[in-house]
Amino acid sequence: AQSVTQPDIHITVSEGASLELRCNYSYGATPYLFWYVQSPGQGLQLLLKYFSGDTLVQGIKGFEAEFKRSQSSFNLRKPSVHWSDAAEYFCAVKRAAGNKLTFGGGTRVLVKP
Amino acid sequence: EPEVTQTPSHQVTQMGQEVILRCVPISNHLYFYWYRQILGQKVEFLVSFYNNEISEKSEIFDDQFSVERPDGSNFTLKIRSTKLEDSAMYFCASSGTSGVDEQFFGPGTRLTVL
Repeated sequence: AQSVTQPDIHITVSEGASLELRCNYSYGATPYLFWYVQSPGQGLQLLLKYFSGDTLVQGIKGFEAEFKRSQSSFNLRKPSVHWSDAAEYFCAVKRAAGNKLTFGGGTRVLVKP
Repeated sequence: EPEVTQTPSHQVTQMGQEVILRCVPISNHLYFYWYRQILGQKVEFLVSFYNNEISEKSEIFDDQFSVERPDGSNFTLKIRSTKLEDSAMYFCASSGTSGVDEQFFGPGTRLTVL
């Protein structure tokens, strides 16, 4: 069965500093990979996705993620964090066949002024 | 920008009562989903729906749960006899013409069972 692990429950980062959120997955083949963000009171918004091809994918709001097959990882990065990036971030995977998204536990990001 | 909407935003019910959670997916989408998130736990898949039938469901989605698309715009999740452990945030999502398309999520309905 597929699973997703986000090792960091909370991360605090200063505004303007870089951010990296870790995601590791367990799956027999290359899954489809996603990062979602949830701001308070909002639904889940897709930041970026990886299906195939270039392993470095660009998303919205200045985020990027890199797929590393050898490490079963799909880490999310942003070079310079803004206060509005404070939110909870979820990594998710999906089989190529099927619709079900499997989510990690989420990482809550706090941004210090 | 089109969005998924959900009503109500918060539902409080007594144990054993039936609840219906409502969702309006994005209008040209063909795939519909329900997920839930119990407080402090992961977002969990419940069910996907396509072409007026369930295409996939999780072990959580037992006989107490049902989904329906009663008209061309609404997608509902019914819990027949609520339990305390059904208290959670329920998210509706929809995606376009292919199962690989991005799933767009609604803001959620917080269900509290007393």
